[in-house]
Amino acid sequence: SQTIHQWPATLVQPVGSPLSLECTVEGTSNPNLYWYRQAAGRGLQLLFYSVGIGQISSEVPQNLSASRPQDRQFILSSKKLLLSDSGFYLCAWSVGGATEAFFGQGTRLTVV
Amino acid sequence: DQQVKQNSPSLSVQEGRISILNCDYTNSMFDYFLWYKKYPAEGPTFLISISSIKDKNEDGRFTVFLNKSAKHLSLHIVPSQPGDSAVYFCAARPYNNNDMRFGAGTRLTVKP
Repeated sequence: SQTIHQWPATLVQPVGSPLSLECTVEGTSNPNLYWYRQAAGRGLQLLFYSVGIGQISSEVPQNLSASRPQDRQFILSSKKLLLSDSGFYLCAWSVGGATEAFFGQGTRLTVV
Repeated sequence: DQQVKQNSPSLSVQEGRISILNCDYTNSMFDYFLWYKKYPAEGPTFLISISSIKDKNEDGRFTVFLNKSAKHLSLHIVPSQPGDSAVYFCAARPYNNNDMRFGAGTRLTVKP
């Protein structure tokens, strides 16, 4: 069966520090991978998605970047965090076209 | 650009009654619609979906209705149970695109 791992679960980082969140998927090949953010009191905002190694699509201009160094690994990064980067970050995967996406447990990021 | 809208931030129903969660969308290219359930500090879990070729899909206590002409879908939960208390997200995507958009969510509270 397929599983998705996302870590860490919680993170407190100072403003201006770098960020690296990692997500890996097991049990499937060539998944579509996504990073979403849920800000306080808001819905899920799509940040990045990837259909293959090295292929990243960005949905909104921001302080963040994403990379996909391996087929089942998706990394969310920032060189310098802003206070506005605080939120709940979710990694997800799907396969094929019109199918559901499955989410990781999320990372609660607090920038102080 | 909020392409998927859930205009009710919260809903409270009595146990055993019907819960109706609503969702509207603006993008006519959306072809596949999904509902997710989310508990605090966890990733969303897939609940039920419907493609645009159908107007109803049922899975146990959960039924999703789609009205394409009105660009509206709804999730019916009957009978509602206290364990259904969570935030429910509506999502939509085009058939051949990996870009899945979410609504802001509706917090459902089922009172015993």
